[in-house]
Amino acid sequence: AQTVTQSQPEMSVQEAETVTLSCTYDTSESNYYLFWYKQPPSRQMILVIRQEAYKQQNATENRFSVNFQKAAKSFSLKISDSQLGDTAMYFCAFMPPGAGSYQLTFGKGTKLSVIP
Amino acid sequence: DVKVTQSSRYLVKRTGEKVFLECVQDMDHENMFWYRQDPGLGLRLIYFSYDVKMKEKGDIPEGYSVSREKKERFSLILESASTNQTSMYLCASSGTSGGSRAYEQYFGPGTRLTVT
Repeated sequence: AQTVTQSQPEMSVQEAETVTLSCTYDTSESNYYLFWYKQPPSRQMILVIRQEAYKQQNATENRFSVNFQKAAKSFSLKISDSQLGDTAMYFCAFMPPGAGSYQLTFGKGTKLSVIP
Repeated sequence: DVKVTQSSRYLVKRTGEKVFLECVQDMDHENMFWYRQDPGLGLRLIYFSYDVKMKEKGDIPEGYSVSREKKERFSLILESASTNQTSMYLCASSGTSGGSRAYEQYFGPGTRLTVT
């Protein structure tokens, strides 16, 4: 079974600074998907960024980027120019490939606070 | 935009009551999921469905059942609510087509259930 570990339960960052959230996972699969989801306080969970394991290039979405280290099974999220609206719970998630394997395994989350 | 709606944002029920949580998606997605979210535990999968009338147990199905009679609707049922089922319940859906967006899960706003 796959496991996803987020080792930082809480983090804080000054507005406009850069912060990196860590995620490691354990799998014997060679191809899979990785995701970062954001859950703002009292608001809906939304997808931040997605990475396919077969792609060597790190995914980027505006101020959000990942550092995907396949051999190390590491998938960290970097938020540049942090904004107050980035305050949220962030969840790392893993999805194995293959028909029927639509399940996500989530980490326990990192609570990020952006300080003005 | 994908829309996933849940029947209630907040619900208070008594121990032993039968509880129905409804989820509806408007994107013709094949897959639907029910998660439970608890502080420090992240999201845990209760049940999922990959087609009408089909269901699969997730990691914590005990005490729950589900129903999917129509493609757009996925119901979570607590046959006899107990206090340890007090939690946030999140519904999600995903499709199997759409190129790079396939398999991404889209979440509803959540139902915070309190069992007293």
